Amino acid sequence: AQTVTQSQPEMSVQEAETVTLSCTYDTSENNYYLFWYKQPPSRQMILVIRQEAYKQQNATENRFSVNFQKAAKSFSLKISDSQLGDTAMYFCAFMKHDGDDKIIFGKGTRLHILP
Amino acid sequence: KAGVTQTPRYLIKTRGQQVTLSCSPISGHRSVSWYQQTPGQGLQFLFEYFSETQRNKGNFPGRFSGRQFSNSRSEMNVSTLELGDSALYLCASTFDQGAYEQYFGPGTRLTVT
Repeated sequence: AQTVTQSQPEMSVQEAETVTLSCTYDTSENNYYLFWYKQPPSRQMILVIRQEAYKQQNATENRFSVNFQKAAKSFSLKISDSQLGDTAMYFCAFMKHDGDDKIIFGKGTRLHILP
Repeated sequence: KAGVTQTPRYLIKTRGQQVTLSCSPISGHRSVSWYQQTPGQGLQFLFEYFSETQRNKGNFPGRFSGRQFSNSRSEMNVSTLELGDSALYLCASTFDQGAYEQYFGPGTRLTVT
């Protein structure tokens, strides 16, 4: 069974700073997807960034980038130039590549961006 | 395109009652997944439907059931409600099986008293 662990329940950073959210996972699968989802206080979950396990290059989406270490089963999210709108719950998530749409989520990291 | 919609947004029920929640996926999406979100357990997968067939099921008791209609709309039902069923229930839709990007609805907040 797959597990996803987020070791930081809550974090606070000043606006414009860079913050890194940690995530580790456990799986025996070789092909899978990893995601970071954002859930703002309004509760609508949105996808921030995804990484295909077969790709060595780290995914980047504007201010969001990941550090994917497949051997270490680590998948951290870096937010650069953080903004007040980045305040949210962030979930690291895993999905197998075999057509199984079941997403395994971590417990989440509550991120506060302070003015 | 309209996003994933869920109705009702808020619901209060009494222990022992049953409840039905509805999810309308994005137009053209054929796969709908349901998740339960609680402070203690986090987000847990309930089940997934594709083309009216349940393709995957999480570790929940049989009181939790679902179905999908020919227009891809999905419902989930919880019978004999327990206090522990209080949660935010999220549904997510994708275009096809294995499509990695799931689009989430706003959720239905269920409170069981």
